Amino acid sequence: DQQVKQNSPSLSVQEGRISILNCDYTNSMFDYFLWYKKYPAEGPTFLISISSIKDKNEDGRFTVFLNKSAKHLSLHIVPSQPGDSAVYFCAAGPDSWGKLQFGAGTQVVVTP
Amino acid sequence: GAGVSQSPSNKVTEKGKDVELRCDPISGHTALYWYRQSLGQGLEFLIYFQGNSAPDKSGLPSDRFSAERTGGSVSTLTIQRTQQEDSAVYLCASSREGGLVSNTQYFGPGTRLTVL
Repeated sequence: DQQVKQNSPSLSVQEGRISILNCDYTNSMFDYFLWYKKYPAEGPTFLISISSIKDKNEDGRFTVFLNKSAKHLSLHIVPSQPGDSAVYFCAAGPDSWGKLQFGAGTQVVVTP
Repeated sequence: GAGVSQSPSNKVTEKGKDVELRCDPISGHTALYWYRQSLGQGLEFLIYFQGNSAPDKSGLPSDRFSAERTGGSVSTLTIQRTQQEDSAVYLCASSREGGLVSNTQYFGPGTRLTVL
């Protein structure tokens, strides 16, 4: 069963505007959450993370918000830049084996 | 090395042949993971190693798939009697310790497998 869900397969946003990516999870035992970014023909790269003791973590243009009661996290990119065009994966864990579970990804396209 | 490396970067094979994919994790990383990404799909977990043992093989799609890890370092993923549905990008990742999710997974560039 899919414990981490990204319901939007794609997102198009204008350069300079905010990109908001959403992720839902079902396992209330998850306590660590990450976002990865993936360009074509490359492996995913770690972007930002948050632990369950926080509700917000910021790193430059990237901010992750965690709503534990709703089992929901989001990634905000402000301002969006053309180089942000990529697939973004949400991940959460630990699962019963102590590893991460990944969402299906959201393709972000930043247009000029 | 500086990052996770995988070889080959591309592999084209004929249906029914066996293939071996290799992963070199970051030095000192005890946990190693294999995933695959089929066209238009998300990351599909295959197998996880902690040291040389594989506590979670739940993602291997069939008994044609096997993996091993030796010396707590290099891992090989073997696919026997390849089928066209095996065509995908196979990704390897490593982390400093398994079972402690706060240790981030670092991914290699992947091996693109095409089965004709």
